[in-house]
Amino acid sequence: NAGVTQTPKFQVLKTGQSMTLQCAQDMNHEYMSWYRQDPGMGLRLIHYSVGAGITDQGEVPNGYNVSRSTTEDFPLRLLSAAPSQTSVYFCASSYSLGGNSYEQYFGPGTRLTVT
Amino acid sequence: RKEVEQDPGPFNVPEGATVAFNCTYSNSASQSFFWYRQDCRKEPKLLMSVYSSGNEDGRFTAQLNRASQYISLLIRDSKLSDSATYLCVVNPLSSNTGKLIFGQGTTLQVKP
Repeated sequence: NAGVTQTPKFQVLKTGQSMTLQCAQDMNHEYMSWYRQDPGMGLRLIHYSVGAGITDQGEVPNGYNVSRSTTEDFPLRLLSAAPSQTSVYFCASSYSLGGNSYEQYFGPGTRLTVT
Repeated sequence: RKEVEQDPGPFNVPEGATVAFNCTYSNSASQSFFWYRQDCRKEPKLLMSVYSSGNEDGRFTAQLNRASQYISLLIRDSKLSDSATYLCVVNPLSSNTGKLIFGQGTTLQVKP
């Protein structure tokens, strides 16, 4: 049981390049999310999904696309990288603990630099 | 105004001290609340959920004050290993959608 896995761990892109950050979970969780974390800003939600085929925008979706074709995978695509997208990206999946309480498991993160 | 606000600190305390963090949230309809812990350059991990009646887990106590819209985390008998960033987290919705709002975190440094 690997939990939430993310690849790559590190990436350097040039402005204008596109790439896909991969995220997979093997816990059969319905809910998955992508966050970015910047110094002094905390984690900000980019996109989230409540199940295969269903995605929605979070707080900072511009410049990113997602898809959820399977329960396990939730890739994040950068369409045309910009220096403002330099950040640490975390993928998370969650399940319900009962009621409105649930635990979110995070992947180890992808450190992205755009030059 | 941010949806979830925390004092970023850092809080520097000696081993054995008691330390408390507060967090305020702006959406009065928020339904569930959590504290996460994040070590340097690592992913956040759930520390504890925060229940209306308050809850305790060993040296950690969490409280919720809905009227004033804040939650708190109390750490007693601080250990060196408690040094980390503590994230206040709010589920703004009444159901589980995977959508959580994070505060920017409060950094705790426990000194020998």
